[in-house]
Amino acid sequence: KQEVTQIPAALSVPEGENLVLNCSFTDSAIYNLQWFRQDPGKGLTSLLLIQSSQREQTSGRLNASLDKSSGRSTLYIAASQPGDSATYLCAVRDDKIIFGKGTRLHILP
Amino acid sequence: GAVVSQHPSWVICKSGTSVKIECRSLDFQATTMFWYRQFPKQSLMLMATSNEGSKATYEQGVEKDKFLINHASLTLSTLTVTSAHPEDSSFYICSASGKPNYGYTFGSGTRLTVV
Repeated sequence: KQEVTQIPAALSVPEGENLVLNCSFTDSAIYNLQWFRQDPGKGLTSLLLIQSSQREQTSGRLNASLDKSSGRSTLYIAASQPGDSATYLCAVRDDKIIFGKGTRLHILP
Repeated sequence: GAVVSQHPSWVICKSGTSVKIECRSLDFQATTMFWYRQFPKQSLMLMATSNEGSKATYEQGVEKDKFLINHASLTLSTLTVTSAHPEDSSFYICSASGKPNYGYTFGSGTRLTVV
């Protein structure tokens, strides 16, 4: 049974710092892995999608990596800003979409 | 890009009534649609997976007679919460995807409050 774990559960950092969010999954037989952002009371916004054959994707200040063999992904956020404060979720797709519980990120002005 | 429209964004209903939530893929054919619910400060929990033209597959613990899912076309899925009770109050989110190696696009969610 696929399980997705995100560490840390919560993170507070001063504005301007670079940070890394971690995601691990137990079954490497996935189609893809996706990182999302969720603001309180809102739906999900897709940030980056990594296919199983890819190792990383970049969008602006965000970079996501995927190491399927070890069951790990990281989301790197450069030069963090207060507007980056949100919950970040990773999800893997095999027959279903399985979400981690998220990392609540707070960027201190 | 892929867009999924979910309506209504919020609804308040009386206990015992039924509520229908719609999820539409606007610019792609969604062979698979997923329905989730999220309690405050909790992660998303998958309720059911629906493939167009087939019966939905419900996750363990989700009452199929209470949460009716219809996926009659490649662009529309509906979730009907029947005989709603206050404990059904939650945030419901749909997502849609094309082929398995595509990403998934989420609706903006529906906040259901049962009074």
